[in-house]
Amino acid sequence: AQSVAQPEDQVNVAEGNPLTVKCTYSVSGNPYLFWYVQYPNRGLQFLLKYITGDNLVKGSYGFEAEFNKSQTSFHLKKPSALVSDSALYFCAVRDPNGSGNTGKLIFGQGTTLQVKP
Amino acid sequence: NAGVMQNPRHLVRRRGQEARLRCSPMKGHSHVYWYRQLPEEGLKFMVYLQKENIIDESGMPKERFSAEFPKEGPSILRIQQVVRGDSAAYFCASSLGGTGISPYEQYFGPGTRLTVT
Repeated sequence: AQSVAQPEDQVNVAEGNPLTVKCTYSVSGNPYLFWYVQYPNRGLQFLLKYITGDNLVKGSYGFEAEFNKSQTSFHLKKPSALVSDSALYFCAVRDPNGSGNTGKLIFGQGTTLQVKP
Repeated sequence: NAGVMQNPRHLVRRRGQEARLRCSPMKGHSHVYWYRQLPEEGLKFMVYLQKENIIDESGMPKERFSAEFPKEGPSILRIQQVVRGDSAAYFCASSLGGTGISPYEQYFGPGTRLTVT
């Protein structure tokens, strides 16, 4: 069965420092991987996706993520955090070749990022 | 280009009443997904629809819940005889494609926050 794990409920970083939000996944084949951000009382905003190709994917607002097939990970990174990056981050996976695949996303539990001035 | 629209944004219902949640996808999108976010949890897939067709309802509770996406008009998620456990945020997402290897990301609406008293 497809699954996504975000092992950290909360990540705290100081403004200007690099940040990493961790995500590992489990699918039967080659995954499509996504990161979304959710601000309080708002919907999810798409940040970036990995489909194929270069393992380092660049997305919105200076975020990037590195796909690591051997470790089944897709960690979200940013070289220099901003206070305004504080939000809830979700990793999601889709197995495009799974039997009965209908495009639905499987989400992790979410990681709250707190960036302190 | 307007994003995904959901209304109402907030809905309060007494136990036993019906809740109707509406979702208008982004222009040009014909694939609609509904997800539910319970307090302190990630998003859980409920149902995937294309125009006039339910493609995957594997995440829908067996009773009281139904969804439609008519040829004209918004997608509707309907909850009959609501109970307190139905209190959650319900998010709609739309995409250009859905099944198989299409890599399109899903764009989310702002959500409807349902409170059952």
